[in-house]
Amino acid sequence: AQKVTQAQTEISVVEKEDVTLDCVYETRDTTYYLFWYKQPPSGELVFLIRRNSFDEQNEISGRYSWNFQKSTSSFNFTITASQVVDSAVYFCALSEWLSDSEKLTFGTGTRLTIIP
Amino acid sequence: ETGVTQSPTHLIKTRGQQVTLRCSSQSGHNTVSWYQQALGQGPQFIFQYYREEENGRGNFPPRFSGLQFPNYSSELNVNALELDDSALYLCASSLDGGLPKNIQYFGAGTRLSVL
Repeated sequence: AQKVTQAQTEISVVEKEDVTLDCVYETRDTTYYLFWYKQPPSGELVFLIRRNSFDEQNEISGRYSWNFQKSTSSFNFTITASQVVDSAVYFCALSEWLSDSEKLTFGTGTRLTIIP
Repeated sequence: ETGVTQSPTHLIKTRGQQVTLRCSSQSGHNTVSWYQQALGQGPQFIFQYYREEENGRGNFPPRFSGLQFPNYSSELNVNALELDDSALYLCASSLDGGLPKNIQYFGAGTRLSVL
């Protein structure tokens, strides 16, 4: 069975500090996708990134960067120069094929608080 | 703003009642997935609808059922509500029909409280 582990339940950092959110996954599939979503207090899950299992290149998007390491089954997310607007719950997710549909398996989330 | 809208935003029901939650998918999307998110947990997959047919189901009992309409909007129905059904119900839409599957975009959810 698929599993996503986000061991950090809550993290608090002072504004402008860098912060890394950890994600470890388990799957028997050879082809899969990994995702990060952000959930602000409004409740809506906001898509941040999708990474194909064959593409281990790190990615940077503005203040966000992602480090995918297949050898350790990890897909970590770093926010550089954090801002108060980054405060939210962040979820890592793994795609899984279920009959003819694709479902997402989510971790339990990391609540990030940026202190002004 | 994902273009996925859910109604109502909040709902209070009593145990044993039935509830219907609604979702309008993003324009052009043909697939809707429903997830249940209990407090402090990650979302759990309930089922997915593609072209008006159930296309996959998670570990939820039959009293959780759904519909998808020709305009790709969707309903989630829960019968015989239990206290543990209290959760945020999230709808996600995507454009599917081949590989790779497309990104699921989520609405803001319906918060259901069962008393």
